[in-house]
Amino acid sequence: DAGVIQSPRHEVTEMGQEVTLRCKPISGHNSLFWYRQTMMRGLELLIYFNNNVPIDDSGMPEDRFSAKMPNASFSTLKIQPSEPRDSAVYFCASSLGGADYGYTFGSGTRLTVV
Amino acid sequence: SQQGEEDPQALSIQEGENATMNCSYKTSINNLQWYRQNSGRGLVHLILIRSNEREKHSGRLRVTLDTSKKSSSLLITASRAADTASYFCATDPPGVGSYIPTFGRGTSLIVHP
Repeated sequence: DAGVIQSPRHEVTEMGQEVTLRCKPISGHNSLFWYRQTMMRGLELLIYFNNNVPIDDSGMPEDRFSAKMPNASFSTLKIQPSEPRDSAVYFCASSLGGADYGYTFGSGTRLTVV
Repeated sequence: SQQGEEDPQALSIQEGENATMNCSYKTSINNLQWYRQNSGRGLVHLILIRSNEREKHSGRLRVTLDTSKKSSSLLITASRAADTASYFCATDPPGVGSYIPTFGRGTSLIVHP
């Protein structure tokens, strides 16, 4: 298995533009997580899907952020409009779910909003 | 959800020495997990210890869990320069039906060759 695949690896965009980050989880994993990592705030959980259904989106910072999981093999995180404070590394992770399994992370998307 | 807190924030050692880092948490857990993050990469799952376990080994890694003190430690024996990375603990709370790991700020380990 190729692991969790995220694209793009790097994204530089201007303030106000729409940004879409993509994630392909490991086949067979039924839980998917989006995290954001910054020096100031560390790793923050943004949203969690189970069987393609959003379960907890309380970490989504504001309405500018939205996430979808149209099927078991694909998820997107969209920021519209983007702001400089959204600059961070965004990670997607997937898991088999349950208390006995670890989480597999993608390599992340480094987003810079100028 | 709850957050684990790692200690120390930074650790610098020589190759061959042992490295110990600690994690504290606040409420009951189902399990505790340790992860490693190399610079510019995602987190890699190292080891999971269940709440009814006290110690677990994986290669040069040894993890202990003390639920009475709500703390865990990760020991890396005979460290190598390749162990240089940030190490995070994550906890899963019990009983809510969904398992959402939350992470601390991590311990930054530097192993000098």
